[in-house]
Amino acid sequence: ETGVTQSPTHLIKTRGQQVTLRCSSQSGHNTVSWYQQALGQGPQFIFQYYREEENGRGNFPPRFSGLQFPNYSSELNVNALELDDSALYLCASSFTGRPRQFFGPGTRLTVL
Amino acid sequence: QQQVKQSPQSLIVQKGGISIINCAYENTAFDYFPWYQQFPGKGPALLIAIRPDVSEKKEGRFTISFNKSAKQFSLHIMDSQPGDSATYFCAASRVSGGYQKVTFGIGTKLQVIP
Repeated sequence: ETGVTQSPTHLIKTRGQQVTLRCSSQSGHNTVSWYQQALGQGPQFIFQYYREEENGRGNFPPRFSGLQFPNYSSELNVNALELDDSALYLCASSFTGRPRQFFGPGTRLTVL
Repeated sequence: QQQVKQSPQSLIVQKGGISIINCAYENTAFDYFPWYQQFPGKGPALLIAIRPDVSEKKEGRFTISFNKSAKQFSLHIMDSQPGDSATYFCAASRVSGGYQKVTFGIGTKLQVIP
């Protein structure tokens, strides 16, 4: 059974740029959630995807967007990067209707 | 609005001692309460979880105590070991608008000293 994988591991961008982060779900999982974890904080829910559609969003602006593909993998896109977007971005997969989520190792984004 | 309050934010325990981390929640709609362990540079890993109809759950050295009326729950790590040194997050989860919404606490950095 393959766990949740994310790429890239680290990324450095400058303010105003756009970034795409990628996530592969654990085998068989059909739901993907994305979280932002700032340094010294708990993960904050960004949004969740199921059946290739966003079905829930936290308190994040529209410049945070995502996609889910037929194989359940997912992308997180962030436009017009701001310094405060610097964080660890975590992807978690699960079976729909089941609360247990499995997290990937995260992508560390630094915005200069 | 911090819906899950976690304390302490840091904890130092001697090897063999008991580590206790506390959390409190506000929303009674939460129906699943997991604890996650996170090592530096890694994603959170589920340690143990409990439903609100159970007052205690034990898995090895890890125990969750749950007080529904007080809206509080805690993690106890018995016989703490240096390998337990990590950041621990409590969380509360509920289905909202068709999706599983998870709210995390701020985290507790645990250091177990020999």
